[in-house]
Amino acid sequence: DSGVTQTPKHLITATGQRVTLRCSPRSGDLSVYWYQQSLDQGLQFLIQYYNGEERAKGNILERFSAQQFPDLHSELNLSSLELGDSALYFCASSAGTELSYTFGSGTRLTVV
Amino acid sequence: DAKTTQPPSMDCAEGRAANLPCNHSTISGNEYVYWYRQIHSQGPQYIIHGLKNNETNEMASLIITEDRKSSTLILPHATLRDTAVYYCIVWRVNQFYFGTGTSLTVIP
Repeated sequence: DSGVTQTPKHLITATGQRVTLRCSPRSGDLSVYWYQQSLDQGLQFLIQYYNGEERAKGNILERFSAQQFPDLHSELNLSSLELGDSALYFCASSAGTELSYTFGSGTRLTVV
Repeated sequence: DAKTTQPPSMDCAEGRAANLPCNHSTISGNEYVYWYRQIHSQGPQYIIHGLKNNETNEMASLIITEDRKSSTLILPHATLRDTAVYYCIVWRVNQFYFGTGTSLTVIP
């Protein structure tokens, strides 16, 4: 157990729908990062939050959004889902230095 | 983007050393090289990182060339549980840039 908790583990939904993925960082970690991994692809950085504020943005689509709440958990919202959004979505957390960058076990999203 | 280049796949006999190469010719002077691995579809796991000097920990050794344009991850005695995708990545501006990595298969 890495200490980073992601729910749900699996999600199946239809095209056009909206889903929310949840991430609870390790205790004490202020930064949360979201990554997308499509089939047989490397991980693509989506977005980072630090203590509730957006810190960095990567290749995140406009249909996707995220936020970090006062208790530091984060949610990734995916809307108007397309078949191509099917992927593993990973959350990672850190205390602020890259040495403590720890990944969760991911959420597997399947859009049908 | 901070690009790294790795061979797509490698095999290694169980008990032998696995040497995984990585090219990072565009790396800047203050950027660290990190290695992570991903077993099946689990979350990536940190292995080791370095800047200029060679590094060793309980999992692996990292050899960085003097010009810092390439590095090699060494797993000294590979086991079947080391079968995974290994990513050589650079940390830049609050994010890791992952490539497609090297799929290492340890053969009994």
